[in-house]
Amino acid sequence: SQTIHQWPATLVQPVGSPLSLECTVEGTSNPNLYWYRQAAGRGLQLLFYSVGIGQISSEVPQNLSASRPQDRQFILSSKKLLLSDSGFYLCAWEEGPYEQYFGPGTRLTVT
Amino acid sequence: DQQVKQNSPSLSVQEGRISILNCDYTNSMFDYFLWYKKYPAEGPTFLISISSIKDKNEDGRFTVFLNKSAKHLSLHIVPSQPGDSAVYFCAATERGYGNKLVFGAGTILRVKS
Repeated sequence: SQTIHQWPATLVQPVGSPLSLECTVEGTSNPNLYWYRQAAGRGLQLLFYSVGIGQISSEVPQNLSASRPQDRQFILSSKKLLLSDSGFYLCAWEEGPYEQYFGPGTRLTVT
Repeated sequence: DQQVKQNSPSLSVQEGRISILNCDYTNSMFDYFLWYKKYPAEGPTFLISISSIKDKNEDGRFTVFLNKSAKHLSLHIVPSQPGDSAVYFCAATERGYGNKLVFGAGTILRVKS
C-alpha cells in the first residue's frame, strides 16, 4: 500500500532562517505530488504541484520554492522565512483521477 | 475570490442524529467534488467524492449530494458518531486543470454523546 512521510512533525524557526521540509512517498511510482499550507483558521492553500522529476508548478507567489530531485521525493524550501510563513504544511500525492492523499503534516512556527 | 465556500464555520449535532455539511461553489467548470475529514495536527483524510455526472454518491454512513444548477453540494453523515468530530473540507477540481483541488475553509463538526 502507498504511504506518505513528512518530516519534521513540528518546527520552530526564527525569521530570516532557511527552511527545508521533506516529503517522500512509498508504494507508487511517478505520482503527482502537492504541497499545501493551512494557515490558522483557514482552508488549504495549494502552493506547488509536480507531475514528475524536476517539474514544478507554483500556484502562489511567495518566498517559498519546491524541488523534486527524485520520483518520490518532494521538498519545500525557503532561503529566508517570514512570520507569515507560519502554518501547517501538508504534502499530498494523487491517486487518479482526482483523489489526493495527505501526509501527517509539519507544524511550522516562525518566531 | 473564494471559488469554494463553506459558510458554516461549525456545526454541533447529537450522537445518532444526521449531520449535514454544506458547500457552495462558483466555478461552473468544476466537475469533480471531494470531501475530506481532518483531525487536529493530522493531514486530511479522503472521505467521499462525486462526479458532476451524478447527483448522489453513498458510502456507508456518508452520502454526498450534488445540485449542479444551484452549484451546491452537501455531505450527510447518518448516524453521527462522536468519532466523526473533526474539520470537514469540501474540495473541487476542474477536468484538465492539472487535477488541482480548490478547498473550502472547512466546517468544524462536533458530535455530542
